[in-house]
Amino acid sequence: KQEVTQIPAALSVPEGENLVLNCSFTDSAIYNLQWFRQDPGKGLTSLLLIQSSQREQTSGRLNASLDKSSGRSTLYIAASQPGDSATYLCAVRSNTGNQFYFGTGTSLTVIP
Amino acid sequence: KAGVTQTPRYLIKTRGQQVTLSCSPISGHRSVSWYQQTPGQGLQFLFEYFSETQRNKGNFPGRFSGRQFSNSRSEMNVSTLELGDSALYLCASSLALAERGEQFFGPGTRLTVL
Repeated sequence: KQEVTQIPAALSVPEGENLVLNCSFTDSAIYNLQWFRQDPGKGLTSLLLIQSSQREQTSGRLNASLDKSSGRSTLYIAASQPGDSATYLCAVRSNTGNQFYFGTGTSLTVIP
Repeated sequence: KAGVTQTPRYLIKTRGQQVTLSCSPISGHRSVSWYQQTPGQGLQFLFEYFSETQRNKGNFPGRFSGRQFSNSRSEMNVSTLELGDSALYLCASSLALAERGEQFFGPGTRLTVL
């Protein structure tokens, strides 16, 4: 069974700092990996989707990379802002069982 | 384009009752997935429907069931509610090739079982 781990569980940074969130998964047989943010009590907002054949995706201040062979993905946030404060979740679409497995999330606080 | 909508947003039930949650996907999306989110277990996959057929099912008891209609709207039913069913239930939709597509989530239904 696929297991997805996110480190750290919580992160607090001053505004303007660049930061990296980590996601690791145990089974490299995946279709894709998706990063989400979740604000308290709300649903998930899709940030970036990386297909298994891709190495990275970029959207604005966000850049996500994928190293399928080592079972790792990183989400890079440049010039962090207080509005970036949220919980960030990664999820992998496993092609064994064709299910979506979520990590436990990283709670990010950006201090003004 | 309207996003994924879920109704109701909040629900309070008592043990033993049953509940039905509804999800309307983004227009044109044919795949709908359901997830349960709890503080202890995180986000867990319940099931996925595509063109009115259940494609995949997570590891949940048979009390949890769902269906999808011809217009791609989906409902999830939980029978004989237990206290542990209290959770945020999230629905997500994606385009036809769900295993390659981006998932878009609704705001969720907060279910409280007393």
